[in-house]
Amino acid sequence: NAGVTQTPKFRVLKTGQSMTLLCAQDMNHEYMYWYRQDPGMGLRLIHYSVGEGTTAKGEVPDGYNVSRLKKQNFLLGLESAAPSQTSVYFCASSYRGRAYEQYFGPGTRLTVT
Amino acid sequence: RKEVEQDPGPFNVPEGATVAFNCTYSNSASQSFFWYRQDCRKEPKLLMSVYSSGNEDGRFTAQLNRASQYISLLIRDSKLSDSATYLCAAYSGAGSYQLTFGKGTKLSVIP
Repeated sequence: NAGVTQTPKFRVLKTGQSMTLLCAQDMNHEYMYWYRQDPGMGLRLIHYSVGEGTTAKGEVPDGYNVSRLKKQNFLLGLESAAPSQTSVYFCASSYRGRAYEQYFGPGTRLTVT
Repeated sequence: RKEVEQDPGPFNVPEGATVAFNCTYSNSASQSFFWYRQDCRKEPKLLMSVYSSGNEDGRFTAQLNRASQYISLLIRDSKLSDSATYLCAAYSGAGSYQLTFGKGTKLSVIP
């Protein structure tokens, strides 16, 4: 039982490049989330999903897109990376009705130069 | 103004000390509250829940004061292994999809 996994763990991008971060969970959770964490800013919600095929915007969605084609996977895309997107990205998941108990992945450290 | 606010610290305390963190929230619709712990360069993990009557788990006690809209976390007999960042989170209740996190309070327990 791996819990929540994220790939890649580290990545360096040049400005304007694109990439996709993959989150996978094996707990059969309905809800999934993408956060970014920056020094002094705390955890900020980018996008979330309450089920397969549905996504919604969080607090800081600009510059990101997401997809949830399968229940266990939640993808975060950066179409044209900017230095302001340098951050640590965490994926999380929870059961429906228990959004307070979120299980986080180990994070992806992204640097955009 | 952020919905959930915490003193960022750092709190530097000697082993064996008692330390308390506070967290204030602005959304009176928030129904329940939680403390998450985040070790350096790791992911956050749920530490404990805070309900109206408070909650105690070993050396950790969490209290809620609805009138003043704040919650607290008390750690007694601090251990070196308690060194981490503690995140406060607010939940609006059944039907809500999100947690609102504070920025975290960093604790360093010193030998």
